[in-house]
Order: sequence, then C-alpha cells, then structure tokens
Amino acid sequence: AQSVSQHNHHVILSEAASLELGCNYSYGGTVNLFWYVQYPGQHLQLLLKYFSGDPLVKGIKGFEAEFIKSKFSFNLRKPSVQWSDTAEYFCAVNANDYKLSFGAGTTVTVRA
Amino acid sequence: DTAVSQTPKYLVTQMGNDKSIKCEQNLGHDTMYWYKQDSKKFLKIMFSYNNKELIINETVPNRFSPKSPDKAHLNLHINSLELGDSAVYFCASSQGLAGRAEQFFGPGTRLTVL
Repeated sequence: AQSVSQHNHHVILSEAASLELGCNYSYGGTVNLFWYVQYPGQHLQLLLKYFSGDPLVKGIKGFEAEFIKSKFSFNLRKPSVQWSDTAEYFCAVNANDYKLSFGAGTTVTVRA
Repeated sequence: DTAVSQTPKYLVTQMGNDKSIKCEQNLGHDTMYWYKQDSKKFLKIMFSYNNKELIINETVPNRFSPKSPDKAHLNLHINSLELGDSAVYFCASSQGLAGRAEQFFGPGTRLTVL
C-alpha cells in the first residue's frame, strides 16, 4: 500500500523567513501529487498540484513545489512567509487509482 | 454560496447511540467522499461514491454506512457509536474519480463520543 510521509510535524518561523515542507511517498509508479492547506477555521483547499511536465509547479499565494522522481519527493516551498500562512499543510498522492492518500500534515506557525 | 456543506458541525453523543452526518455539494460533481481525521490530524479515506455507486470502501467497521440518495448528497450513518469514533469527519467532492481531480472539502463535523 502506498504511504505518504511528511517529515515535519510542526514548523515555527518568523515572517519573511523561507519555508520548505518535506513530502515523500512510497509508490513506485506514475503518481498525481497535491498539496492542500487548511487555514484556521476554514476548509481544506488545494494549494497546488502536479501531474506531468515541468517538475516545478507554482500554486496560489506564492507557493511552489518541486517533484523529484528519483527521490519520490514533492516538497513545498515559499521564499518569504507571512503571518497569514499559518495553517495546516497536507501532502496527498494519487497513484492512478480511485484514492487520494494524505500525509499526516504539518502545522506551520508564522510569528509576526 | 457554500460549495460543500455538512451538518451538523459539532456532534456530541453517548456511546452506543446511532447518529448521522449529512453532506451536500452544489458543484455538480459526480463523486463524493468521506474522510476521517483523527486526533493526530491524519486524514484517511473511508468511502467514495461515483454517480451514486460505491467505489471505495476502506477497512471501516460495518457500523458505518454511507448512503447517497443522489449525486449531490452523501450521508454517513454510524450505529452503536464507540469512543474511538471520536474524530473530525470531512466530506469532499470532485468531478471524476480521484486521479487528477481536485477535491473540494466541507468544513468538517467534529464528533465527540462520551
């Protein structure tokens, strides 16, 4: 069974710092990759996704993610975070079946 | 307009009771899902319906029974509630089966079993 690992459970950083959240998956075939975000008191919403093509994908709110096939990774980055980026971030993988498998999530706290 | 809505938002009940959670989407999607988020925030798929047909039924106790009266609704009924059922339950929908389809989530229902 495929699994999704997010290495950082809780990240605390100051405004303007750079953010990188790790995500690794275990499935060896073709995958579809997603990052979802849940702001406090809000729904989970899609941040960005990767299916094929350029492995560096850009999402909303200045986020980007890089797919490295050899490392089975899809790390999320933002060069300069804002207080409003405080949220839960979830990596998710679909291995061309009917399921979306989520990582355990990373809580990001940005201090003003 | 709320795209995916769930009722109730909070549900507190005693062990052994039977309860239902309702989900509705107004996005015209053909696929709906139920997820369980445990205390460690881990989101796990429970069920998925496509055009009212059950597609995914993960290893979930048969006390949990989903029902999809139409493509816009997917309800979750839970019999004989147990302490371990306490969690946040999220409904989601997408156009098409998981794959590359973006899933739209509801606000969640926080179930507390006492």
